[in-house]
Amino acid sequence: DQQVKQNSPSLSVQEGRISILNCDYTNSMFDYFLWYKKYPAEGPTFLISISSIKDKNEDGRFTVFLNKSAKHLSLHIVPSQPGDSAVYFCAASAYKAGGTSYGKLTFGQGTILTVHP
Amino acid sequence: KAGVTQTPRYLIKTRGQQVTLSCSPISGHRSVSWYQQTPGQGLQFLFEYFSETQRNKGNFPGRFSGRQFSNSRSEMNVSTLELGDSALYLCASSSGARKNEQFFGPGTRLTVL
Repeated sequence: DQQVKQNSPSLSVQEGRISILNCDYTNSMFDYFLWYKKYPAEGPTFLISISSIKDKNEDGRFTVFLNKSAKHLSLHIVPSQPGDSAVYFCAASAYKAGGTSYGKLTFGQGTILTVHP
Repeated sequence: KAGVTQTPRYLIKTRGQQVTLSCSPISGHRSVSWYQQTPGQGLQFLFEYFSETQRNKGNFPGRFSGRQFSNSRSEMNVSTLELGDSALYLCASSSGARKNEQFFGPGTRLTVL
């Protein structure tokens, strides 16, 4: 039962253009969402997060959008740079009252982003 | 601030052996979570320790266990290794509060022959 899904295994974008990575979830208890970037042979690096009480969060070139009714979130990278080429994971957690999910992130399968010069 | 460190970085074991992996969290962080990453299953949550207590556990067999020390360092142990245990084992630290980001170490690559 995959509660967090990234349906695009890969995405190819030209340098300077926008990269849009998508993520869907099924568990309505999720109330905090995160994006991580991962290079081979390294651990994931935290990029940006968003709480379910918001629908948008920005940090520099990175913006995350959350559509709770559609159970969908997306990460926008503008402008894309070759150094952004990596695997991107979305992750979700459930910290609502009564939840027992402290310390647990549920990850999607990842999307390989390639930014061409 | 130093990041999350994991030792060793690489391990080769044979089936039936046991292994212990170590994780030192970011200074001041009291929560350590462990994850297994494999090509087929992706990143899967193993367990989380907070203030020396296991606070949450994923769906892994009892061969996988862990502990946390008073300085927040954590160890993970896998007994009776199987070929399918070959994976990248990642630990992540956080303050342990609600809605807090987790910061990952570089991982330990375990190969079981």
